[in-house]
Amino acid sequence: ETGVTQTPRHLVMGMTNKKSLKCEQHLGHNAMYWYKQSAKKPLELMFVYNFKEQTENNSVPSRFSPECPNSSHLFLHLHTLQPEDSALYLCASSQKQDGPTEAFFGQGTRLTVV
Amino acid sequence: GQNIDQPTEMTATEGAIVQINCTYQTSGFNGLFWYQQHAGEAPTFLSYNVLDGLEEKGRFSSFLSRSKGYSYLLLKELQMKDSASYLCAVIDSNYQLIWGAGTKLIIKP
Repeated sequence: ETGVTQTPRHLVMGMTNKKSLKCEQHLGHNAMYWYKQSAKKPLELMFVYNFKEQTENNSVPSRFSPECPNSSHLFLHLHTLQPEDSALYLCASSQKQDGPTEAFFGQGTRLTVV
Repeated sequence: GQNIDQPTEMTATEGAIVQINCTYQTSGFNGLFWYQQHAGEAPTFLSYNVLDGLEEKGRFSSFLSRSKGYSYLLLKELQMKDSASYLCAVIDSNYQLIWGAGTKLIIKP
């Protein structure tokens, strides 16, 4: 039990589909993050939410749309993705965005775009 | 630019010791993390260093030299379950986490 839960664990979608990834944390943290992890590459930070407000958007294409309805939940809405978007998408949370606090990760969603 | 370098892959023998190095060039420094990630699993926290020196935690130790922009993770008495990827990450002056690509550690009997 990591305290951060992601669903689904695996997702295969066509380039014209619309799907959503869900992340939930039960740790009472105030910051939540979406990362993309591709094979043999560093983790790429996509979005950061601090106290439900988006504070970072690292030049992510608009086909990825985040939503943070409250401090415990984070969504990543996907539409018209490309095959190169296939990757492991990790959600993480931390006590706060600013400061050297440990990040807790979910197990990720393995996304395959066909 | 900001950069974290770690070896792509290492192999070691069960029961032995292995050292995984990490060098970094970042805009500022507010600490360095090591995470372990088993295949298909979430990365999990191993250690945090902000001051120079060695931090020991059981079979795992982490070392930091800020002047050299260098850290290592030392794993002793290796077990098969230690086969995983080890991720180095540095907190820069803006409190952004800069990640290395990870080192895949293969343990052989």
